[in-house]
Amino acid sequence: GIQVEQSPPDLILQEGANSTLRCNFSDSVNNLQWFHQNPWGQLINLFYIPSGTKQNGRLSATTVATERYSLLYISSSQTTDSGVYFCAPGEGGSEKLVFGKGTKLTVNP
Amino acid sequence: GAGVSQSPSNKVTEKGKDVELRCDPISGHTALYWYRQRLGQGLEFLIYFQGNSAPDKSGLPSDRFSAERTGESVSTLTIQRTQQEDSAVYLCATGVGIGEAKETQYFGPGTRLLVL
Repeated sequence: GIQVEQSPPDLILQEGANSTLRCNFSDSVNNLQWFHQNPWGQLINLFYIPSGTKQNGRLSATTVATERYSLLYISSSQTTDSGVYFCAPGEGGSEKLVFGKGTKLTVNP
Repeated sequence: GAGVSQSPSNKVTEKGKDVELRCDPISGHTALYWYRQRLGQGLEFLIYFQGNSAPDKSGLPSDRFSAERTGESVSTLTIQRTQQEDSAVYLCATGVGIGEAKETQYFGPGTRLLVL
């Protein structure tokens, strides 16, 4: 099945800093989603982005499907951005999302 | 309801007992997914429902695990003869099932299962 690698595994920022999270995947995909899991465990869908670029407020994401990677940008980080960010491409031909191990982000005040 | 709900929120059971976990989807969502998340890990896919049929059960780890769905409504995940390695958070997600929005999954808060 598809392999997913996220980097960095851990990231500590000061409030106001910018960051880039990376997701590499091993096969072509027609579905890729980014999620944020807050410290209480709730998963929130950030982007559905199998290709191209999308922006939502301080967050944006870019997927270069031909090169099998996706990037999540967080600008002007806030303490509420803390948590784990998961990349989840869809396994070809199925509805199944395959999750990476995540990037744990800590934003300090 | 406004979002996906799951019950119970926490479950502690003894090894060998059966447990039943419930997921109430967002109204109108035809797609429903179950995932398992072990402590400090990513999510593992278990099963996918489209309506009340399950075209993809490939993630169920053993025959002790089963799931049902009533129409486009409630789903239950049953674990028989629980083992300590079943301890995890069990997450349910649902989706619209149509067009690009089909792909977006909305997660419930999860059920934290601890098998003693």
